[in-house]
Amino acid sequence: AQSVSQHNHHVILSEAASLELGCNYSYGGTVNLFWYVQYPGQHLQLLLKYFSGDPLVKGIKGFEAEFIKSKFSFNLRKPSVQWSDTAEYFCAVLEGSARQLTFGSGTQLTVLP
Amino acid sequence: GAGVSQSPSNKVTEKGKDVELRCDPISGHTALYWYRQSLGQGLEFLIYFQGNSAPDKSGLPSDRFSAERTGGSVSTLTIQRTQQEDSAVYLCASSQGQNYGYTFGSGTRLTVV
Repeated sequence: AQSVSQHNHHVILSEAASLELGCNYSYGGTVNLFWYVQYPGQHLQLLLKYFSGDPLVKGIKGFEAEFIKSKFSFNLRKPSVQWSDTAEYFCAVLEGSARQLTFGSGTQLTVLP
Repeated sequence: GAGVSQSPSNKVTEKGKDVELRCDPISGHTALYWYRQSLGQGLEFLIYFQGNSAPDKSGLPSDRFSAERTGGSVSTLTIQRTQQEDSAVYLCASSQGQNYGYTFGSGTRLTVV
């Protein structure tokens, strides 16, 4: 079974700092990759997704992620975070033949005003 | 409705009792998923329904857990003889297909006392 690793469990940043959240997966075949965000008290929302093509994908609210196949990574980035980005972020992977997403354990981001 | 609806939003039950959790997916979404989110952990896949196909039950943790989806729409997750370790947030998601990502409901927070 594949696994998805998010090594940072809790990240604390000041506003305007740059963000990079790590996501690594173990499956060696074709994958579809996702980042979801859960703001406090809200449901999970899709932030961005990668299926094919340009490995640098842009999502909502200024977030982007880069798929690096050789590193089995799909790290999430934002050049300048805001207090409103405080949330939990989940990376998820869909391997080629699977029918459901496998999620990482999540990274709690706290942005200090 | 516009989103995935789950009920109840909170449920407190005594150990040993049965509980039923309901999910009303987005109209027209053929795929429906149940996940469990425990404190400090990621999302654990439970069960997947796709159209009229047999459900993928591979994630159900024990035979106390079962789920059905009636008429290709509403789904009910049933937990029999609840245990304290069943306490978690149970999330339902629906999708138009694998390339579309999931739309999540707000979840049911189950507390077994």
